[in-house]
Amino acid sequence: GAVVSQHPSWVICKSGTSVKIECRSLDFQATTMFWYRQFPKQSLMLMATSNEGSKATYEQGVEKDKFLINHASLTLSTLTVTSAHPEDSSFYICSATGQGVKTQYFGPGTRLLVL
Amino acid sequence: AQSVTQLDSHVSVSEGTPVLLRCNYSSSYSPSLFWYVQHPNKGLQLLLKYTSAATLVKGINGFEAEFKKSETSFHLTKPSAHMSDAAEYFCVVSDAGSARQLTFGSGTQLTVLP
Repeated sequence: GAVVSQHPSWVICKSGTSVKIECRSLDFQATTMFWYRQFPKQSLMLMATSNEGSKATYEQGVEKDKFLINHASLTLSTLTVTSAHPEDSSFYICSATGQGVKTQYFGPGTRLLVL
Repeated sequence: AQSVTQLDSHVSVSEGTPVLLRCNYSSSYSPSLFWYVQHPNKGLQLLLKYTSAATLVKGINGFEAEFKKSETSFHLTKPSAHMSDAAEYFCVVSDAGSARQLTFGSGTQLTVLP
């Protein structure tokens, strides 16, 4: 199956700083990438959908100025959590799909802890 | 609109006994259905998917699921549980074969007892 990677896998930061998470599709062209967050013992919640070369579409209740998404190439999308606060601590998972790809391939996730 | 309900938040079985994880769905169109597994602090792994072909779908690690339109169900089964099957399982629905809008169930935590 297709491979999607995320970097970093773990990040700890101080409150007020910004954190960037990368999501890469390693063996296919990801025309669309998705960003999810998962709180402990809960399901995945879609945050935003990004199409390569265009602005991301955010789900209701997700602040676009706080969670900046860039999808500048067919293999890379980034999520930047700006001015992070402890309540942003969560597991962030990306997924990717492409032309002719009938499923989403998920990355291994990034655990963010904001102190 | 689409939705998915996982009927059990926790299931506990003994090693070597059958596994049944229940899932019911609601979809306006012909749905695609998926089961994903998530081990602690790991990403999601696709177990199997249904996309309007055979109603009995075989997946990895001995899992299978049957699509029953009349019951709007897509239950996940395995004849004999292994300790390594202990994980969180998510049932997921997507409309019309599209990978673009997935709706996740709330998850079922499977515990396998020795």
